[in-house]
Amino acid sequence: QVQLVQSGAEVKKPGASVKVSCKASGYKFTSYFIHWVRQAPGKGLEWMGIINSSSGSTNYAQMLQGRVTMTRDTSTSTVYMDLSSLRPEDTAVYFCTRGGQNTFFDYWGQGTLVAVSS
Amino acid sequence: QSVLTQPPSASGTPGQRVTISCSGSSSNIGSNVVNWYQQLPGTAPKVLIYNNDQRPSGVPGRFSGSKSGTSASLAISGLQSEDEADYYCVAWDDSLNGHVVFGGGTKLTVL
Repeated sequence: QVQLVQSGAEVKKPGASVKVSCKASGYKFTSYFIHWVRQAPGKGLEWMGIINSSSGSTNYAQMLQGRVTMTRDTSTSTVYMDLSSLRPEDTAVYFCTRGGQNTFFDYWGQGTLVAVSS
Repeated sequence: QSVLTQPPSASGTPGQRVTISCSGSSSNIGSNVVNWYQQLPGTAPKVLIYNNDQRPSGVPGRFSGSKSGTSASLAISGLQSEDEADYYCVAWDDSLNGHVVFGGGTKLTVL
């Protein structure tokens, strides 16, 4: 069965970086894109960006340009989301989700809480 | 604020019909399909409606979606207590090299 398993919760100080992983299984990894979506406490869903698991090409949300980097390792079917210069407002649950160059997200990771606090 | 506009809250009693609206623009809803997601507390979102009006297998027929111009709506008929959740519309936006835009979410309360 299709699964996306994310890395565990992180606590970071402002200005630090965080790298969240998303390991895919149960399907051909390179046939799908992976999107990252985050949700601040009590807030709505915010799209962060997309990575083509085959080519590695990316497209990031404008408001995160320069701070977010998405990469993939096809040998381990894992996608990584790196967010730098962390601010308290980056505190959120970060989800990876499988999709295409569209908004049909059929499988989701369990979510990773990233807390940013001094 | 979100690119797609949803009412922040909606409510209904069991058995009632409730609709949730989602308003966008020509670069998103006006030119791309709309999908709807349901998010129960503490869980990841789940796709409820895709391609404007299609239900994935396993989603009850009580849920339906529609789109007209730059707006879309989700309807839930025969409201049940387990429908109490947050609902989000989402669409691809063709501006800025293409990106995904979400609605702000609607919290549905079953009275």
